[in-house]
Amino acid sequence: GAVVSQHPSWVICKSGTSVKIECRSLDFQATTMFWYRQFPKQSLMLMATSNEGSKATYEQGVEKDKFLINHASLTLSTLTVTSAHPEDSSFYICSASRETPETQYFGPGTRLLVL
Amino acid sequence: DQQVKQNSPSLSVQEGRISILNCDYTNSMFDYFLWYKKYPAEGPTFLISISSIKDKNEDGRFTVFLNKSAKHLSLHIVPSQPGDSAVYFCAASAASGTYKYIFGTGTRLKVLA
Repeated sequence: GAVVSQHPSWVICKSGTSVKIECRSLDFQATTMFWYRQFPKQSLMLMATSNEGSKATYEQGVEKDKFLINHASLTLSTLTVTSAHPEDSSFYICSASRETPETQYFGPGTRLLVL
Repeated sequence: DQQVKQNSPSLSVQEGRISILNCDYTNSMFDYFLWYKKYPAEGPTFLISISSIKDKNEDGRFTVFLNKSAKHLSLHIVPSQPGDSAVYFCAASAASGTYKYIFGTGTRLKVLA
């Protein structure tokens, strides 16, 4: 149990376009989902926390208008990178938990390359 | 301000021996700690966790030790296997911080056959 999927696993896009990444909890209902990004050889940095049906809470320094998060249901959260630029190229990972302080279960990640 | 630190970026251990990965934290409000294993281009896989009310938790070959006074935790893997080669991240969270995780910088473990 506790499987989290992400789609797509890879995306290459042109600068200025928007990219949507989906995160799904496959076998449990996730009250909370988290979005992280990881640059090469660095740690996972939390971007935002989202609860179903409410607005996401963004970490300091993360632009909420650039990284739109929608937690539409207890099994789906989406991250949209709007007007992507090359510096947004990174590895984006979501996680989900049933209830706090329940362990977070991570998706396989999405590698974004903005040309 | 790195609240969770893993000071050893890499570690090499012979197969069958013990691997000890260390993690230090600065925030005394942290009350829940976890270890994750990560392969390149994949999401982290949960290994083991420990609450601050305990000082040890064991699960098969993996044992986590917590020393609250020293603000230090460690992960012991015995015996180490080549399949354990990966990057290991410790993470900490606090009830007062809405349980969000703060990750360490990771330690790359290489188990030599």
